[in-house]
Amino acid sequence: RKEVEQDPGPFNVPEGATVAFNCTYSNSASQSFFWYRQDCRKEPKLLMSVYSSGNEDGRFTAQLNRASQYISLLIRDSKLSDSATYLCVVKKDSSYKLIFGSGTRLLVRP
Amino acid sequence: GAGVSQSPSNKVTEKGKDVELRCDPISGHTALYWYRQSLGQGLEFLIYFQGNSAPDKSGLPSDRFSAERTGGSVSTLTIQRTQQEDSAVYLCASSTGSTGELFFGEGSRLTVL
Repeated sequence: RKEVEQDPGPFNVPEGATVAFNCTYSNSASQSFFWYRQDCRKEPKLLMSVYSSGNEDGRFTAQLNRASQYISLLIRDSKLSDSATYLCVVKKDSSYKLIFGSGTRLLVRP
Repeated sequence: GAGVSQSPSNKVTEKGKDVELRCDPISGHTALYWYRQSLGQGLEFLIYFQGNSAPDKSGLPSDRFSAERTGGSVSTLTIQRTQQEDSAVYLCASSTGSTGELFFGEGSRLTVL
């Protein structure tokens, strides 16, 4: 079983739609969580950290459920520019290694 | 430049040849990572350097792979006797080491014929 699992998608949604991605992790010692965004043929970039209490950044909301070991990302009012692959990332605080999921691909259509 | 710089951006080589990939991290970043991404796949951890500590080589897939970091700055990833399954994008990232934010270079795309 992979340490971090994501639905590969693609999620194909119209502009303005709300879309949610989930990610599950297997190591309960994982302590820090992140969402990265990767555009086609580009390098990954940090989108947002995920805090225990949940956090919001504009149209993006991230939530963490430690009991069930999953992380979610909600995107409201989707824009064409949101089309990308979203990577779920976990890290144990005792470690420096970031474990990346395979990513969920989002396509936002006009 | 201000970002992580990698070279070459593209490398095509014949099976059995050796290749060297270079990474110049952001100035002042003590942590340096190498990841590999195959087509349509996630990022696979290869190796990590932090300051003067011994590197974590646990992700290197075989003894054909090696990496060094000279003077705590520039790093070189070497693949000996390349195989077709080594074809991938090799991504270097650096960070301050204290957060989960990695700054990636644009990657070196390796194609082994």
